[in-house]
Amino acid sequence: SQKIEQNSEALNIQEGKTATLTCNYTNYSPAYLQWYRQDPGRGPVFLLLIRENEKEKRKERLKVTFDTTLKQSLFHITASQPADSATYLCALLNTGGFKTIFGAGTRLFVKA
Amino acid sequence: EAQVTQNPRYLITVTGKKLTVTCSQNMNHEYMSWYRQDPGLGLRQIYYSMNVEVTDKGDVPEGYKVSRKEKRNFPLILESPSPNQTSLYFCASNQQGFGELFFGEGSRLTVL
Repeated sequence: SQKIEQNSEALNIQEGKTATLTCNYTNYSPAYLQWYRQDPGRGPVFLLLIRENEKEKRKERLKVTFDTTLKQSLFHITASQPADSATYLCALLNTGGFKTIFGAGTRLFVKA
Repeated sequence: EAQVTQNPRYLITVTGKKLTVTCSQNMNHEYMSWYRQDPGLGLRQIYYSMNVEVTDKGDVPEGYKVSRKEKRNFPLILESPSPNQTSLYFCASNQQGFGELFFGEGSRLTVL
């Protein structure tokens, strides 16, 4: 069956460092991959989308890589800030994008 | 303001008592979907709709019904709720299937 795995444990880093979150998947060939941020008690908020034929995407302090051979995406937050503390979700979408599969998320804590 | 509105935000009910969670979006989006979020399992897709009168099952549709009679509304119906449907529910919409998902604030449902 299709499976997505994200860093199962919380990630603790110091302010100013780069946070790297991992999303691995099996038994799936996604056409698109998205990353979302979710704060406690709130709905997820979209951050970035990357297509299967793209290797890397950047947006301000965020960078996403997508390796369809390794079946892995890495999500980087550079110069991290305490305000970046949240849960980050990885999502895979098929062609057409109607069926979406989400990972369980990684909780990130950035200490001042 | 562009938004997805869900109601109720919180609900405690008893087994077997039919309930409806409403979802409305003001962005004229074609695509709408429902998810449930449980600890350790992440977001799982219940149903999705590609347009008015067009709906399809996601990964966990058992025990739920949906309808899409108007473009802006996509209610989730629990005909006979059971305790295993206790969860946090999110409605989402987007213009294209693979595009940014806009989520509501969530509806926390407890079935006793």
